[in-house]
Amino acid sequence: EAGVTQFPSHSVIEKGQTVTLRCDPISGHDNLYWYRRVMGKEIKFLLHFVKESKQDESGMPNNRFLAERTGGTYSTLKVQPAELEDSGVYFCASSQGIVDRGEKLFFGSGTQLSVL
Amino acid sequence: AQSVTQLGSHVSVSEGALVLLRCNYSSSVPPYLFWYVQYPNQGLQLLLKYTTGATLVKGINGFEAEFKKSETSFHLTKPSAHMSDAAEYFCAVSPLRGTYKYIFGTGTRLKVLA
Repeated sequence: EAGVTQFPSHSVIEKGQTVTLRCDPISGHDNLYWYRRVMGKEIKFLLHFVKESKQDESGMPNNRFLAERTGGTYSTLKVQPAELEDSGVYFCASSQGIVDRGEKLFFGSGTQLSVL
Repeated sequence: AQSVTQLGSHVSVSEGALVLLRCNYSSSVPPYLFWYVQYPNQGLQLLLKYTTGATLVKGINGFEAEFKKSETSFHLTKPSAHMSDAAEYFCAVSPLRGTYKYIFGTGTRLKVLA
């Protein structure tokens, strides 16, 4: 079974440019999460999809970030325009259900974004 | 505000020695608690979790952790370190039961010395 796949693994862009990160969750997983780790600090929650709906986007930093999950399958996270402070590792994770039912959360290996 | 504190961003132990990685949390309600490990160029993998029941939780690769409510702690231990344990370890809480909206600690990088 394929795991959570993220593309690209690394991205280097100039300040002001646009970048789109993609996440393919495990097939059949309704729940999809985005997290971000900035400069060795803690990993922070960005948002949570249930199928194609945004369940919780309270962690999105500002309106330069746009997440979509059309059709409830893969998700994209677009940053436009990118700023220096957006540099970090962006993780995607997916689960079939919720913690209470013993469901596990599976993480992708992340996208390292560097904004110069 | 809820938070997770991991004492020591870098910990070094000798091979065969005890591994102790500390995690303290603040939460207004008893949270679910997790430890994750990240090996180079890989995603985070679940080591163990505490939701309810027995406070001593055993995980994969010989790791275990004990939930101590009075100390608001969830320290991770392993009796004997192996070279393959070298990785970064993250403690996380899920204050909203039923979701994976984690609050993570800043991580502890474990180095195992031969």
